[in-house]
Amino acid sequence: ETGVTQTPRHLVMGMTNKKSLKCEQHLGHNAMYWYKQSAKKPLELMFVYSLEERVENNSVPSRFSPECPNSSHLFLHLHTLQPEDSALYLCASSQRQGGAYEQYFGPGTRLTVT
Amino acid sequence: AQKVTQAQTEISVVEKEDVTLDCVYETRDTTYYLFWYKQPPSGELVFLIRRNSFDEQNEISGRYSWNFQKSTSSFNFTITASQVVDSAVYFCALMDSSYKLIFGSGTRLLVRP
Repeated sequence: ETGVTQTPRHLVMGMTNKKSLKCEQHLGHNAMYWYKQSAKKPLELMFVYSLEERVENNSVPSRFSPECPNSSHLFLHLHTLQPEDSALYLCASSQRQGGAYEQYFGPGTRLTVT
Repeated sequence: AQKVTQAQTEISVVEKEDVTLDCVYETRDTTYYLFWYKQPPSGELVFLIRRNSFDEQNEISGRYSWNFQKSTSSFNFTITASQVVDSAVYFCALMDSSYKLIFGSGTRLLVRP
């Protein structure tokens, strides 16, 4: 595997379900990100992990819970979601110390909440 | 406040035409970085270019070129001799001093055969 991978690619869940999105990066980066992309809004940064520590949480509802067990893996745990949470969830990684570096994105998970 | 504006929501051209995608940014930082990403229908954002605020030299990469003008806070992207495979949504983004990426709303480019 190369680059940034995400599973599953598509997910349909009911409002009472619990599911998790997984992201893995194979680029040796030390920072990972979750973004939300919905039809009518620009890309929204949700969470940032740098060296496995959460450094940013952009007022995301608690029904989204991130986890970063190591620098290569990032999860987004989902529970009791709302229909408006239906969106494309993108994971990205980059270097983060010592300058500004481009982020590399995975293919995303298309989430539908019914 | 940091902001990126891509005023063109959708552009349609015929193959082999040249097309320019506009990007205007706002920032109070003196050091910042600008990016362009391509999002094909598959969904993955593909990194195209990074430019820092001290380097106003224009860049050309094959059919792609970028025009950075600090005086007008613009970072425009031109595709020469467009091809159907260029059809995608293109995002301009600004990285501020906290290393947070702020995206524009994107321009959807459709290249018709």
